[in-house]
Amino acid sequence: GAVVSQHPSRVICKSGTSVKIECRSLDFQATTMFWYRQFPKKSLMLMATSNEGSKATYEQGVEKDKFLINHASLTLSTLTVTSAHPEDSSFYICSARDFGGRTEAFFGQGTRLTVV
Amino acid sequence: DAKTTQPTSMDCAEGRAANLPCNHSTISGNEYVYWYRQIHSQGPQYIIHGLKNNETNEMASLIITEDRKSSTLILPHATLRDTAVYYCIVLKTSYDKVIFGPGTSLSVIP
Repeated sequence: GAVVSQHPSRVICKSGTSVKIECRSLDFQATTMFWYRQFPKKSLMLMATSNEGSKATYEQGVEKDKFLINHASLTLSTLTVTSAHPEDSSFYICSARDFGGRTEAFFGQGTRLTVV
Repeated sequence: DAKTTQPTSMDCAEGRAANLPCNHSTISGNEYVYWYRQIHSQGPQYIIHGLKNNETNEMASLIITEDRKSSTLILPHATLRDTAVYYCIVLKTSYDKVIFGPGTSLSVIP
């Protein structure tokens, strides 16, 4: 079946540095990908919609300059957490939909970010 | 998109059927019911979806009431690996953003 792959699965970074998370659709083209974050014992919160070849659309309350999204190809979207702080520590998950075929969304395995 | 209501948590004995209910009383005629689950520290996994007919696949069955105001996800023989949070989501089209509610935390007990 369709697979969405995230990298890295875990990352620890120092406060003030930036971290990039990659999301790839492995067997389909995804013109749109979605980024979520999840705090412990909470549900997934949609952060932004990543559109290939255009600017991302951010949900209310999500800082676009803090969470930079680039969707340069039909199979790759990246989320960069800039100037990370401990409160950015979270589980980040991407999702992609195969608009040319199946209707369900496919999710990556998630990235556990810890900022120290 | 229509809002859904699910119980916060449920227990199920291993080997028994797990029946997870979902209310979506404001669903409109062109909205689908999707089910996903999230095992701890993993990304969500698609389970099944339907419009008005009951659906079955290798993972589960989905029973949608005739008035479409509620549905039940059935895991026929629950195993310990089915312990997860199950999300019932209503979507108008495949282009809709998937917005997660709190879901139902299912614990399968030995």
